[in-house]
Amino acid sequence: DAGVTQSPTHLIKTRGQQVTLRCSPISGHKSVSWYQQVLGQGPQFIFQYYEKEERGRGNFPDRFSARQFPNYSSELNVNALLLGDSALYLCASSFGTVNYGYTFGSGTRLTVV
Amino acid sequence: EDQVTQSPEALRLQEGESSSLNCSYTVSGLRGLFWYRQDPGKGPEFLFTLYSAGEEKEKERLKATLTKKESFLHITAPKPEDSATYLCAVQGGDSSYKLIFGSGTRLLVRP
Repeated sequence: DAGVTQSPTHLIKTRGQQVTLRCSPISGHKSVSWYQQVLGQGPQFIFQYYEKEERGRGNFPDRFSARQFPNYSSELNVNALLLGDSALYLCASSFGTVNYGYTFGSGTRLTVV
Repeated sequence: EDQVTQSPEALRLQEGESSSLNCSYTVSGLRGLFWYRQDPGKGPEFLFTLYSAGEEKEKERLKATLTKKESFLHITAPKPEDSATYLCAVQGGDSSYKLIFGSGTRLLVRP
């Protein structure tokens, strides 16, 4: 079975640009969460979606948005990129929202120059 | 405020030298405590979930334990391939839909 797949694996953007990151969960998993991991830190929660509805949002500005599609895949969008948005963006999928294990993808490394 | 603190930040061991990693947490109504392993440039890889104080789980050279305030990840006779960052996360409180991570412990095992 395929694990959580994320694309692209790496990308470089210029300040002020917009970026879209994509995630396909494990088959049968209905929940997708997004995390940001800055070098040397643990992942920070951005969003959780379950059955195409937003179930939670972390302490991130409105420049960050996400959505989940009928096939449970998800996109994370970041507008007006700042240098501080440079990080590893991780997607995690799970069957439900609480008391279920979370499986992470390999992440998208975003560099803003 | 819910939070997780891991210590030490970094740990160097000789192959075969056993040790423990600590994860202290503050959360109201713990739903689960998770241990992950992360290799450089990769996503976290799931190791264990613990749900209640006194619970223990083992996998190969790793053993995780849980009390009401902290969790330990014991590494017995480590090998160089155990070198990685070990992350601890909790789920619970008012925001039980998310994982709250510590900053991790970077483990280096020398041959």
